[in-house]
Amino acid sequence: DQQVKQNSPSLSVQEGRISILNCDYTNSMFDYFLWYKKYPAEGPTFLISISSIKDKNEDGRFTVFLNKSAKHLSLHIVPSQPGDSAVYFCAASAPRASNTGKLIFGQGTTLQVKP
Amino acid sequence: DSGVTQTPKHLITATGQRVTLRCSPRSGDLSVYWYQQSLDQGLQFLIQYYNGEERAKGNILERFSAQQFPDLHSELNLSSLELGDSALYFCASSTRAGPTEKLFFGSGTQLSVL
Repeated sequence: DQQVKQNSPSLSVQEGRISILNCDYTNSMFDYFLWYKKYPAEGPTFLISISSIKDKNEDGRFTVFLNKSAKHLSLHIVPSQPGDSAVYFCAASAPRASNTGKLIFGQGTTLQVKP
Repeated sequence: DSGVTQTPKHLITATGQRVTLRCSPRSGDLSVYWYQQSLDQGLQFLIQYYNGEERAKGNILERFSAQQFPDLHSELNLSSLELGDSALYFCASSTRAGPTEKLFFGSGTQLSVL
């Protein structure tokens, strides 16, 4: 059962334009979400997070939006740069009651930003 | 550099064999996580240790086992290896084990079972 889903395996955008990566989840007990970025031959690195008490969190060119009623979150990158080309993973933190820091990841979306 | 060290970077072995993957967490981190990434798959959670004790278990096969030692490094043991075990295995660490912890990942061990 895939609790976190990224339905778009890949996305290609032009440099300077907006990149929008989407993620859906099924478990309403999730209340903390993160985005990780992964370059080839490296491990994933933390990008940005959002708590369920918010609907938006912004950090420079990166903004994450959360729609709890739709169980949907998205990552916006504006403006997109060639260095943003990577695999982006959406992740949900396990419910608080589980008392673990484990993350449940989506399958990832490969972003290509063309110069 | 995340501060998480995984060795070896690459491992090639045959079916039926046993291997050990090693992970040193970031200095001061008490929690270690193991993830498996197969081809075209996301990161699948295997197991978490916190300060030497198992904290959470995912879809880890019975042929796989892990432990965290007193110096906080961790080892993932994979036995009776099958072709389908070929994957990238990541270790991650975090300061504690709570639900808002950021995980810091190592660069992974690429396991190829031939």
